Amino acid sequence: GAGVSQSPSNKVTEKGKDVELRCDPISGHTALYWYRQSLGQGLEFLIYFQGNSAPDKSGLPSDRFSAERTGGSVSTLTIQRTQQEDSAVYLCASSPRASRGGETQYFGPGTRLLVL
Amino acid sequence: GENVEQHPSTLSVQEGDSAVIKCTYSDSASNYFPWYKQELGKGPQLIIDIRSNVGEKKDQRIAVTLNKTAKHFSLHITETQPEDSAVYFCAASIDGGKLTFGQGTILTVHP
Repeated sequence: GAGVSQSPSNKVTEKGKDVELRCDPISGHTALYWYRQSLGQGLEFLIYFQGNSAPDKSGLPSDRFSAERTGGSVSTLTIQRTQQEDSAVYLCASSPRASRGGETQYFGPGTRLLVL
Repeated sequence: GENVEQHPSTLSVQEGDSAVIKCTYSDSASNYFPWYKQELGKGPQLIIDIRSNVGEKKDQRIAVTLNKTAKHFSLHITETQPEDSAVYFCAASIDGGKLTFGQGTILTVHP
C-alpha cells in the first residue's frame, strides 16, 4: 500500500521567507511525527500528534516553527522567517497509534530544505 | 530527557563477516527500541525493533539484544552483503511517543 508521502521533495528559499512542508501519513494512522535531520545535529524530534490530543511540541527549536494537522490526516510544518541554520532534511513519520509498548513509525522520504 | 549514544560511528567489514552496533540509553522508562536503516536520499526504514519485555529478537540475518539492567541494546548483522551498506540508527521511546535517535553508524561492506 501507499506509504508516507511528503512534498515538496526539495525546497530552496531565501533567508527571511516562510516555507510550508506537507506530510500525507499512511491512511488510518492516528499518530504523526515530524523530525529534522541535519549534519551537525543528527535526527531530532520536532513535534508529535496523536489523535485529538494536544500535540507534543517539545522539540520545536523556536517560535518560528509551527505545525498543524487537519482532520486527523494531512500535516503541514511551517517555518517562518527562515534562517540558514534551518537548512536540513525534514522527515515525517506516522504510526497506527502511540500505544504502550511502542508502535513502528514509518518514515516518508523527507523534504530537503536549503535556505540561501 | 532521554539520551541515546551509538557506537561505532563508522564500521567497515568484509562481505560475509558479522557487524555489531551498540547503543546505550539513559531513561529507564524507555520501553521501545527500533533500529532503522537509511540509504542515501531516502527516509529511514525500520529493520527490526524490540520491546522491553523481550531480551532478544531475530529476523533472518538480523538480531537485536536488549539489556534493561545495563540500559544498552545491540544490533547484530550476520553474513553481511554489499547491499547492507547504509547508515544505521538506533532509537528509544516511551510508550510509542517521540523517538530519540543515536548519532548513526555508517556501515560499509566490502565485496
